[in-house]
Amino acid sequence: QKEVEQDPGPLSVPEGAIVSLNCTYSNSAFQYFMWYRQYSRKGPELLMYTYSSGNKEDGRFTAQVDKSSKYISLFIRDSQPSDSATYLCASSDSNYQLIWGAGTKLIIKP
Amino acid sequence: DGGITQSPKYLFRKEGQNVTLSCEQNLNHDAMYWYRQDPGQGLRLIYYSQIVNDFQKGDIAEGYSVSREKKESFPLTVTSAQKNPTAFYLCASSTYSSGNTIYFGEGSWLTVV
Repeated sequence: QKEVEQDPGPLSVPEGAIVSLNCTYSNSAFQYFMWYRQYSRKGPELLMYTYSSGNKEDGRFTAQVDKSSKYISLFIRDSQPSDSATYLCASSDSNYQLIWGAGTKLIIKP
Repeated sequence: DGGITQSPKYLFRKEGQNVTLSCEQNLNHDAMYWYRQDPGQGLRLIYYSQIVNDFQKGDIAEGYSVSREKKESFPLTVTSAQKNPTAFYLCASSTYSSGNTIYFGEGSWLTVV
């Protein structure tokens, strides 16, 4: 079993919809949680960074961590075709070694 | 501008050749990483370095070698011992002040011909 599980998709939604992307993790020592966006043939870029539990909002993006259920979520409001990309979640413990999910391919249909 | 520069963007290798991918960062980050990404798959760690003149193997180090002679530079050599080298290679660096948030370069595509 991988330490961070992520459905590879693809996930296809119409423009303007709310998108929910999710990961689960197994290591209760994980404290740092990140979401990256990767466009085709490009390097991943950091979207959201969260420490411990709770929510963090940045524009149309909200990251949520539920440590009791070991569940990580990224919500995208008012989705746009430009949001079409692969979204990678990552977690680390206090030793700072990142463990990556496989990535979910998101397609926003105009 | 601060960032991570990888070169070349595209590289073709003949069977039996060694090739070296360059990675330079001007973010003053202590740690640097090399990842491999195959189509439709996640990131796999090849090597990482937390300090100059020191580096550790990641999950798939066989057939690869690295050096860290300067803080800014972390070149990756793909040797002829790597049997399936065709992939997208990503260099990254990080700072410990934000829980090891990693920043990536634009990647290098390596194809064996």
